[in-house]
Amino acid sequence: QKEVEQNSGPLSVPEGAIASLNCTYSDRGSQSFFWYRQYSGKSPELIMSIYSNGDKEDGRFTAQLNKASQYVSLLIRDSQPSDSATYLCAVRSSGYSTLTFGKGTMLLVSP
Amino acid sequence: KAGVTQTPRYLIKTRGQQVTLSCSPISGHRSVSWYQQTPGQGLQFLFEYFSETQRNKGNFPGRFSGRQFSNSRSEMNVSTLELGDSALYLCASSLAPRDGYTFGSGTRLTVV
Repeated sequence: QKEVEQNSGPLSVPEGAIASLNCTYSDRGSQSFFWYRQYSGKSPELIMSIYSNGDKEDGRFTAQLNKASQYVSLLIRDSQPSDSATYLCAVRSSGYSTLTFGKGTMLLVSP
Repeated sequence: KAGVTQTPRYLIKTRGQQVTLSCSPISGHRSVSWYQQTPGQGLQFLFEYFSETQRNKGNFPGRFSGRQFSNSRSEMNVSTLELGDSALYLCASSLAPRDGYTFGSGTRLTVV
């Protein structure tokens, strides 16, 4: 059973702070990793993808992958109230397998 | 470029009835996946289709079925509805196997 684990939160940070969201996965052979943002009542929106160890930056978002530790994280710099949402981590084991999602971490950014 | 389109947006059905949900992927995307989302279980995988073939299937009972047409549009069907089938059903498409998914807005199914 492939598992993706996330702390359900809520993670509360003040506006302007760095929010750090974490995810662990059970399948050591996993190859593709994604972060989705889901606002209440909306569908998930892909915000970051990462395929190799290290950091990948896109604007205020940085995804970090450590395959040896089976750990993926998402950093949000200069957090804004509009970043308040549930963040879902998703992992794909191999090229043709499906995405397995964690249950998500709720982020609350207070003004 | 149009996104993933799901219809209908909302459905209310009675226990024992059946329902069909529709999904049109992004133009050019041949992979379509379906997920069920509930507050307690999160996103659970139902099935994935690629070029009209079911490539993967999740751990759902046989009441849940799906298909994909030659134009990549997909439908899922749930027969003999149960109260526990009330959920948000999400369809997603991707261009290549390695890519992340783009989700549609979902169909909110309520079984009464």
